[in-house]
Amino acid sequence: ELKVEQNPLFLSMQEGKNYTIYCNYSTTSDRLYWYRQDPGKSLESLFVLLSNGAVKQEGRLMASLDTKARLSTLHITAAVHDLSATYFCAVDVYSGSRLTFGEGTQLTVNP
Amino acid sequence: GAVVSQHPSWVICKSGTSVKIECRSLDFQATTMFWYRQFPKQSLMLMATSNEGSKATYEQGVEKDKFLINHASLTLSTLTVTSAHPEDSSFYICSARPQGSSQPQHFGDGTRLSIL
Repeated sequence: ELKVEQNPLFLSMQEGKNYTIYCNYSTTSDRLYWYRQDPGKSLESLFVLLSNGAVKQEGRLMASLDTKARLSTLHITAAVHDLSATYFCAVDVYSGSRLTFGEGTQLTVNP
Repeated sequence: GAVVSQHPSWVICKSGTSVKIECRSLDFQATTMFWYRQFPKQSLMLMATSNEGSKATYEQGVEKDKFLINHASLTLSTLTVTSAHPEDSSFYICSARPQGSSQPQHFGDGTRLSIL
């Protein structure tokens, strides 16, 4: 059974600071996704990582994938309040298969 | 980009009512759609995989007779919560991925179901 674990689960940080969210998964996969969820809203796709060593950046967020370590990171640079949300990583074993989600990381960026 | 439309967005109804939620892929075909449930402060839990033209595949612990899924066309899947009770109150989200694509799953806006 595929398990996906995120760390930390809750994160409160000040604006301007950096931090990294980690996502570990238990089964071989080269497809990992990061999503953002605002309160009361559905999921917004942030990144799709499809190969070992993949790195993608959008604004203050950068995601990477190490398939050998079964680890993905979501790095936050110089956080701003607008980044406050819950971030989920998710893994599927093959194209079209079900997604397994991590527990989510609730991020609060304080002024 | 690919869009998934989910309707309704919020439902409040009395206990014992059956509620139907629609999930449509607006600009692509999807032989497979997924239904998730999310309780407050928790992650998404897959309930079932909806397969066009065949029976849905339910996850362990999900009652087939309570959560009826119909995937009658390549662009529409419906989830019916039958005889809903307060414990069924949750946020229900559907998703779909364009066929033969490496794109991520696209999620509907979700349906907040409140059973009184």
